[in-house]
Amino acid sequence: AQSVTQLDSQVPVFEEAPVELRCNYSSSVSVYLFWYVQYPNQGLQLLLKYLSGSTLVKGINGFEAEFNKSQTSFHLRKPSVHISDTAEYFCAVKRDFNKFYFGSGTKLNVKP
Amino acid sequence: GAGVSQSPSNKVTEKGKDVELRCDPISGHTALYWYRQSLGQGLEFLIYFQGNSAPDKSGLPSDRFSAERTGGSVSTLTIQRTQQEDSAVYLCASSLGTGVNEQYFGPGTRLTVT
Repeated sequence: AQSVTQLDSQVPVFEEAPVELRCNYSSSVSVYLFWYVQYPNQGLQLLLKYLSGSTLVKGINGFEAEFNKSQTSFHLRKPSVHISDTAEYFCAVKRDFNKFYFGSGTKLNVKP
Repeated sequence: GAGVSQSPSNKVTEKGKDVELRCDPISGHTALYWYRQSLGQGLEFLIYFQGNSAPDKSGLPSDRFSAERTGGSVSTLTIQRTQQEDSAVYLCASSLGTGVNEQYFGPGTRLTVT
């Protein structure tokens, strides 16, 4: 069964515009949620994570995400994007003891 | 400090040959993961090592794939009798193990089977 769904495979946006990348996960008793970014020809690096506590999580490079338990979502947002944010973004869930489940990725293309 | 390293960065092989991909995790990380990233697809879990426990091999796509981790550190992913559909980027990640620790990824090995 699909654990993580990223609804948008590609998101084009103009520079300085806001952006939201959507992520939904299969419900579970408890999950740990992550967003990773992959720049061209590089490995993945952690943007932010939700473990517990405040549902609004702030990460690096001005990104933030909100955990919504009732909607089983963990959408990633940035109020104003830069050209340098062009990359692929992956949502991930950690459960089943220590396994990570990744979404299929969303390619963010920031245009000048 | 040193991150996760993988070698080679690129590997081109002929169909039917065996290949070995290497991963050096961050020192002290007890958990190690292998993933496959095919063109246009997300990350596909392959195998997971945690300390001295038996590895979780549930993601290996066929018996041509195997992996080992020697001394709780370096890991080798072996693909026997490679097929064209094995072409992908193979990513390794390590973490501090149990709990809520995130993964740290290596740069990957791009495998091309001709």
